[in-house]
Amino acid sequence: AQKITQTQPGMFVQEKEAVTLDCTYDTSDQSYGLFWYKQPSSGEMIFLIYQGSYDEQNATEGRYSLNFQKARKSANLVISASQLGDSAMYFCAMREGWAGGSYIPTFGRGTSLIVHP
Amino acid sequence: DTGVSQNPRHKITKRGQNVTFRCDPISEHNRLYWYRQTLGQGPEFLTYFQNEAQLEKSRLLSDRFSAERPKGSFSTLEIQRTEQGDSAMYLCASSRGGQGDYGYTFGSGTRLTVV
Repeated sequence: AQKITQTQPGMFVQEKEAVTLDCTYDTSDQSYGLFWYKQPSSGEMIFLIYQGSYDEQNATEGRYSLNFQKARKSANLVISASQLGDSAMYFCAMREGWAGGSYIPTFGRGTSLIVHP
Repeated sequence: DTGVSQNPRHKITKRGQNVTFRCDPISEHNRLYWYRQTLGQGPEFLTYFQNEAQLEKSRLLSDRFSAERPKGSFSTLEIQRTEQGDSAMYLCASSRGGQGDYGYTFGSGTRLTVV
């Protein structure tokens, strides 16, 4: 079974509008971490935001926020006030806790975001 | 500190040749990871090191692949007898390690094309 599922292959958004990128995960661990990375066409993976499974508040980093719904096992990324430079691939990833092994992040297939002027 | 450095950025090789990639992690990071990413997919885990010890290898890492991290600093990933299916982006990441570690920093990758 897929540990990370990103169901939106591609998303389009108008500049300055908000967009939500979906991510669901599957784990039996109690301790885990969820990440979002951005990958522009240059190929580098850029860390955006992190949410720990025990964090009670949703993580925020500037225009990025993570809508963490533990019971639903979802960790959606919300980008507010989209900019043209936000056009990229976005990957959701999970690191399971020490009891599960080795802190190796597992990635989803990604969502391509295109921001229109 | 300039982040994680990978060389070369691009490599074109003929099928059957051997190739070697290098990754220089952030100096104080003791964990180093190799991933492979094919077009339209997310990165897939290949192997990781804690200092100089290779602690886990994916079943994706066939016997044609070998990775080393001598002295716990830079790492190399070698592919022997390359096949067209090896064409991919090879990404390296490093982290401090330890419980609660979430600071995974990626390099820009090495794009391999096997012709």
